[in-house]
Amino acid sequence: AQSVTQLDSQVPVFEEAPVELRCNYSSSVSVYLFWYVQYPNQGLQLLLKYLSGSTLVKGINGFEAEFNKSQTSFHLRKPSVHISDTAEYFCAVRANTGNQFYFGTGTSLTVIP
Amino acid sequence: SAVISQKPSRDICQRGTSLTIQCQVDSQVTMMFWYRQQPGQSLTLIATANQGSEATYESGFVIDKFPISRPNLTFSTLTVSNMSPEDSSIYLCSVEASYGYTFGSGTRLTVV
Repeated sequence: AQSVTQLDSQVPVFEEAPVELRCNYSSSVSVYLFWYVQYPNQGLQLLLKYLSGSTLVKGINGFEAEFNKSQTSFHLRKPSVHISDTAEYFCAVRANTGNQFYFGTGTSLTVIP
Repeated sequence: SAVISQKPSRDICQRGTSLTIQCQVDSQVTMMFWYRQQPGQSLTLIATANQGSEATYESGFVIDKFPISRPNLTFSTLTVSNMSPEDSSIYLCSVEASYGYTFGSGTRLTVV
């Protein structure tokens, strides 16, 4: 089975500052990795995903993530955050065989004006 | 990618009653998934629903409490039965799309 650990439950950051949301995973097989965002009172939206190839993945809204196999990490970054980025962010992993997703507990990003 | 319509978006229900949540997809999909997100927590998979067969439930979830229907390749329902305040959560359906999941907007359930 797989598991996901999001190391920070809450991340406050000032507007226009950079941010990194950390995600580590464990798995005995090869995996696909994902970041989802949940805005207040809304469902989940896919930000980006890593399936194979380049370890640096670019997503929507200026976010990017880097897959580091040796450190089993998939940290999410944005060089300059906006107020509208305030949301809950979930890291998820799925084995490259099978359909079950495993979600982290989420990181609440609050952008301070 | 697939577009999912989920309803109701929210409801407040009395304990002991049941609520059926509907999920409609704009394309045919083999599997549909139902998740629960309890307050302040991450998502937990309840069950996987395949058309034409019984749903497969994850550990801790049973059919009597969360019966699921999957009458065709574009529609599924999840019923939360005999509700208690502990069932207050967001319930989401999802389908696979391009190796990721597409999620419905969720049903925010409050049991009083």
